[in-house]
Amino acid sequence: AQSVTQLDSQVPVFEEAPVELRCNYSSSVSVYLFWYVQYPNQGLQLLLKYLSGSTLVKGINGFEAEFNKSQTSFHLRKPSVHISDTAEYFCAVSEMDSSYKLIFGSGTRLLVRP
Amino acid sequence: EAQVTQNPRYLITVTGKKLTVTCSQNMNHEYMSWYRQDPGLGLRQIYYSMNVEVTDKGDVPEGYKVSRKEKRNFPLILESPSPNQTSLYFCASSLGGTRGYTFGSGTRLTVV
Repeated sequence: AQSVTQLDSQVPVFEEAPVELRCNYSSSVSVYLFWYVQYPNQGLQLLLKYLSGSTLVKGINGFEAEFNKSQTSFHLRKPSVHISDTAEYFCAVSEMDSSYKLIFGSGTRLLVRP
Repeated sequence: EAQVTQNPRYLITVTGKKLTVTCSQNMNHEYMSWYRQDPGLGLRQIYYSMNVEVTDKGDVPEGYKVSRKEKRNFPLILESPSPNQTSLYFCASSLGGTRGYTFGSGTRLTVV
């Protein structure tokens, strides 16, 4: 069965600094990978997804993520964060032949300070 | 506007009193799913549905029921709620495949 690990429960960073949120997954078959963002008191919004092809994917709000098959990782990055990026970020995985089953990591709270 | 609508947004109830959380989507999505979100645990899938009258258990189905009689609706039923079901619940829908899920705004349930 697949699983997702987000090792950092909280990442504090100063405004305009770069940030990386880590995600590792485990699966015995090919997968789709997603990053979602949850702003306070809201639902989840899709940031970006990796399906196939180029390992570097770009999403909304200046975020990007790199798929590394050998390390089974899908880390999220942004070169310069804003106060408005303060939110919780979730990595998720689904197997290609059962995409109705989306498994989430425990989340990373990004706290951007002025 | 394309969306997933959950009701109610907030609910406080007592142990053992049956309740239903409604979920409706207007995007003609085949897949629908219920998740619960708890601090430090992320989102865990309760039930999912691949189409009308086709549902299956997720990772934490105990104490919950669902039905999918129409494509747009996927209610979550708690027959006898208990305090350990206090949580934030999300309904989501998807066309499937590569598209990922679209989430509702959530229902915060407190069982006392």
